[in-house]
Amino acid sequence: DGGITQSPKYLFRKEGQNVTLSCEQNLNHDAMYWYRQDPGQGLRLIYYSQIVNDFQKGDIAEGYSVSREKKESFPLTVTSAQKNPTAFYLCASSMSRGQDEQYFGPGTRLTVT
Amino acid sequence: GQQVMQIPQYQHVQEGEDFTTYCNSSTTLSNIQWYKQRPGGHPVFLIQLVKSGEVKKQKRLTFQFGEAKKNSSLHITATQTTDVGTYFCAGPKAAGNKLTFGGGTRVLVKP
Repeated sequence: DGGITQSPKYLFRKEGQNVTLSCEQNLNHDAMYWYRQDPGQGLRLIYYSQIVNDFQKGDIAEGYSVSREKKESFPLTVTSAQKNPTAFYLCASSMSRGQDEQYFGPGTRLTVT
Repeated sequence: GQQVMQIPQYQHVQEGEDFTTYCNSSTTLSNIQWYKQRPGGHPVFLIQLVKSGEVKKQKRLTFQFGEAKKNSSLHITATQTTDVGTYFCAGPKAAGNKLTFGGGTRVLVKP
């Protein structure tokens, strides 16, 4: 089956620890995105990547880092510098351009205490 | 910067009734997309509108793109409990490399 996978579904960490969220797609999409969603809120863009080995900051990149070493993979690291890391994190991909429809993974719910 | 606003933020609907949710952009959009997120789930693409004044239907859902390509609407007829969820509109940023999502309309259906 083609799609986007994110793991794990739930993640618990202690404050001060870095944590990496996985995102893999087998849709052969060029573009990938990371969003943050807080309870009852919309989607805020963290980082996005149009091609391998290149990525750009979104609207709320502070405290996060990404890499795009392979077309299929776009992991997100939530660093200890992120002040309020507890949230629902969604990864998405689109065929090529930002104007194309986006396909979302199931998300990772991160809780930091 | 570009902003996309959705109203209402919450919509409580009696089962069987119709309702409309609206999406307004501060800038002209090359296209508008609609997504649905079920409670506890992830957003799922519903439709994309490209042309000025375009109207598309998906069963009980009717999507419209405004003439000026700055607003859009989603009308649902005969609401069912399966319509529960949050409906997001999204439009490309001016540079075209990413989407700006509206805040969503959360739909609750009263049986």
